[in-house]
Amino acid sequence: NAGVMQNPRHLVRRRGQEARLRCSPMKGHSHVYWYRQLPEEGLKFMVYLQKENIIDESGMPKERFSAEFPKEGPSILRIQQVVRGDSAAYFCASSPRTSGNQETQYFGPGTRLLVL
Amino acid sequence: GQNIDQPTEMTATEGAIVQINCTYQTSGFNGLFWYQQHAGEAPTFLSYNVLDGLEEKGRFSSFLSRSKGYSYLLLKELQMKDSASYLCAVSDYQLIWGAGTKLIIKP
Repeated sequence: NAGVMQNPRHLVRRRGQEARLRCSPMKGHSHVYWYRQLPEEGLKFMVYLQKENIIDESGMPKERFSAEFPKEGPSILRIQQVVRGDSAAYFCASSPRTSGNQETQYFGPGTRLLVL
Repeated sequence: GQNIDQPTEMTATEGAIVQINCTYQTSGFNGLFWYQQHAGEAPTFLSYNVLDGLEEKGRFSSFLSRSKGYSYLLLKELQMKDSASYLCAVSDYQLIWGAGTKLIIKP
């Protein structure tokens, strides 16, 4: 059973370009979470999605950032017009969330974004 | 408000025992998680407590007191590979994460 997969593992972009980060949840998991982590800092929640639905985007910056989890295919975190401050590790996690309570989240290896 | 507190950094000696504390204030509670994160890697799940008491898993144990808003992670027989950050997270519909405790193990 493959774990959470993220690609690319490393992404270099110049200021003003777009970054697309992909996440495939574990088999059987229908809930995806995106986090950002700056060096030597904790995880910052960004967005929580189910298939075709954004459940909670309270951690997403209002501009330039968007996320989707289509019916088919991976979840995508998209950052438009990247700036140097967007450089960070972006982790995706998934859970089955079959009940109303919180389920354990399993993390992917992360995408390290570097903006030049 | 929602708040998770844990020490920023701790140092311990190989072979010893260390306790990492976590206190929380959240509007709801559906359980508390501990994760381990090695530098440059993804967090990995260690434990989940939803009822008061101690849960033991090999060298690692996690304790919860809901009335006190308090948990700790106990690591026994420390090994050099235990050098990592340990993240406390409380479930209140969403997971609320602490900033993590960086544990340094010295020979």
